[in-house]
Amino acid sequence: EIVLTQSPGTLSLSPGERATLSCRASETVSNSFLAWYQQRPGQAPRLLIFGTSARATGIPDRFSGSGSGTDFTLSISRLEPEDFAVYYCQQYGTSSYTFGQGTKLEIK
Amino acid sequence: QVQLQESGPRLVRPSEMLSLTCNVSGASMSSYFWSWIRQPAGKGLEWIGRIHASMRTNYNPSLQSRLTMSIDTSKNQFSLTLTSVTAADTAVYYCVRLSPGTPRYFDYWGQGTPVTVSS
Repeated sequence: EIVLTQSPGTLSLSPGERATLSCRASETVSNSFLAWYQQRPGQAPRLLIFGTSARATGIPDRFSGSGSGTDFTLSISRLEPEDFAVYYCQQYGTSSYTFGQGTKLEIK
Repeated sequence: QVQLQESGPRLVRPSEMLSLTCNVSGASMSSYFWSWIRQPAGKGLEWIGRIHASMRTNYNPSLQSRLTMSIDTSKNQFSLTLTSVTAADTAVYYCVRLSPGTPRYFDYWGQGTPVTVSS
């Protein structure tokens, strides 16, 4: 099973700043099989990014994904108040799925 | 607009069976994989298993011995049954659709239903 480790656990930033979230895999993940989700309090997760860098429908262009191999990054260029949430990376491999433990993005 | 809605008991006794159903609207169930994901309070996401409209299934190995998933495309619904539950199965359970083609990510989510295992 591929283990995904996200860092940092908590990121404290102010609106308007740039956020960089990391997801590291224990083995190589195909770029096609890495996705990111946002979860606001009391809500279900929402798909943000799939295939490492493709934005899901309706996701603003301040969200971007990058990376390859075992290291992947979610960047948010200018934080809006609604962006403060928990973010999860997820990989698909051999008919199974794993998630990272999440990064909480909080207002500083 | 694809919508998923979970239903089932919110309280299950230890050692008994947990059964949940997901009703799907706004999309045909054919050609897709459908999945369950759970989240204990304050913790991360755990993939439980997936089922295709053809009834092909794949389960999380950690749950496989207790898990059964089924699908009824005529009713636009799929279900989860988890036996011999313990407090560790207490979580919010989400039903989810997997992406078309190669089912590599989860594109539509239900709102989630909380399940507590307690006597």
